[in-house]
Amino acid sequence: EVQLVESGGDLVQPGGSLRLSCEVSGFTFSNYWMTWVRQAPGKGLEWVANIKDDGSEKFYADSVRGRFTISREDAKNTLYLQMNSLRAEDTARYYCARDASRKDDHWGQGTLVTVSS
Amino acid sequence: EIVLTQSPATLSLSPGERATLSCRASQSISNYLAWYQQKPGQAPRLLISGASDRATGIPARFSGSGSGTDFTLTISSLEPEDFAVYYCQQRNNWPITFGQGTRLEIK
Repeated sequence: EVQLVESGGDLVQPGGSLRLSCEVSGFTFSNYWMTWVRQAPGKGLEWVANIKDDGSEKFYADSVRGRFTISREDAKNTLYLQMNSLRAEDTARYYCARDASRKDDHWGQGTLVTVSS
Repeated sequence: EIVLTQSPATLSLSPGERATLSCRASQSISNYLAWYQQKPGQAPRLLISGASDRATGIPARFSGSGSGTDFTLTISSLEPEDFAVYYCQQRNNWPITFGQGTRLEIK
């Protein structure tokens, strides 16, 4: 069974940093691109970042480029999202998803990030 | 950036009725369109990819159509569990973008 479990969400002050993790199981992690998507409270879905299966290519939304970094550690079956210079507008539930060739076919339950003083 | 516009914003129907949800792209995206369903407190679930391919385990009452700029998700006969928010997503160009969602509510 494919499973994705996010962790690392927390309350953080504006300007602070946080690292989210997404531990996966039930599939060969190194064979798949991976995705981060976020959802602000009561709002729609917003794509954040993608990383290629071998980690050689990364793509970011304009809203996070230069502040967020997506990475992966295949030995640990884990996807990461390093978030720096956090702003109030980054407050959201962050989901990781498996990118199975231009579709996000399995999702975690998300982890909540709140940016507030 | 490709903008996806979903209509209507809210659709009020009764169980057993047919639902037709629209997603229009600001430029051609070939057939690189996916549909997701999200229920309150849950993660999104993939329904359709490639504009018309049902994901594993998705009931046959869900169907997708379209190419280029105009796409449709049809639910042939609504079940109580189908009332949720539906999002379209384009995967033709970076950045990946989502529509703003259509809320399907019980009339």
